[in-house]
Amino acid sequence: GAVVSQHPSWVICKSGTSVKIECRSLDFQATTMFWYRQFPKQSLMLMATSNEGSKATYEQGVEKDKFLINHASLTLSTLTVTSAHPEDSSFYICSARSLHYEQYFGPGTRLTVT
Amino acid sequence: KQEVTQIPAALSVPEGENLVLNCSFTDSAIYNLQWFRQDPGKGLTSLLLIQSSQREQTSGRLNASLDKSSGRSTLYIAASQPGDSATYLCAVMLPGGGNKLTFGTGTQLKVEL
Repeated sequence: GAVVSQHPSWVICKSGTSVKIECRSLDFQATTMFWYRQFPKQSLMLMATSNEGSKATYEQGVEKDKFLINHASLTLSTLTVTSAHPEDSSFYICSARSLHYEQYFGPGTRLTVT
Repeated sequence: KQEVTQIPAALSVPEGENLVLNCSFTDSAIYNLQWFRQDPGKGLTSLLLIQSSQREQTSGRLNASLDKSSGRSTLYIAASQPGDSATYLCAVMLPGGGNKLTFGTGTQLKVEL
């Protein structure tokens, strides 16, 4: 089946620094990828839709200048959390949409901002 | 705005029991509905996908049904096992919505020996 990877799987950073998270579709091309965040014991909340070669579409309430998304190729999307603060600590999950419109999810990245 | 609710929020059952997880959604004009499993600290594993034109899907001990008109789906797990312990999430996709998924609140299942 289709595999989506995320790197890193966990990261600890200091407040004020920036962190980049990668999402890769390993064995299929994904023109569309999605970024979610999940707080403890809560469901997934869609942050943005990432389209290859174009600007990402952000959901209401998500700051595009804080969460920079780049989808430079058909197999890679990156999420950069800029000037991270402790409240940005969360579990970030990406998904990649196949040509058959199924979404495959990555294993997630645990971000802790100290 | 589509809202997806799952009941119960948590469930604990003895091994071997059959169980039903419920998912309800407010906008019945969906494209499809998916059930996922999430283990603690992990990503999501897709279990079953039901297209809007379908009424149910089966995979092994899992059976998912869809009643689009009433905005409901159920996930039936037969002969539950401790390895089934996880959080189960349902998600709906709206047509023309850019393939965005709206997730339910989740049901945390624990199957005890």
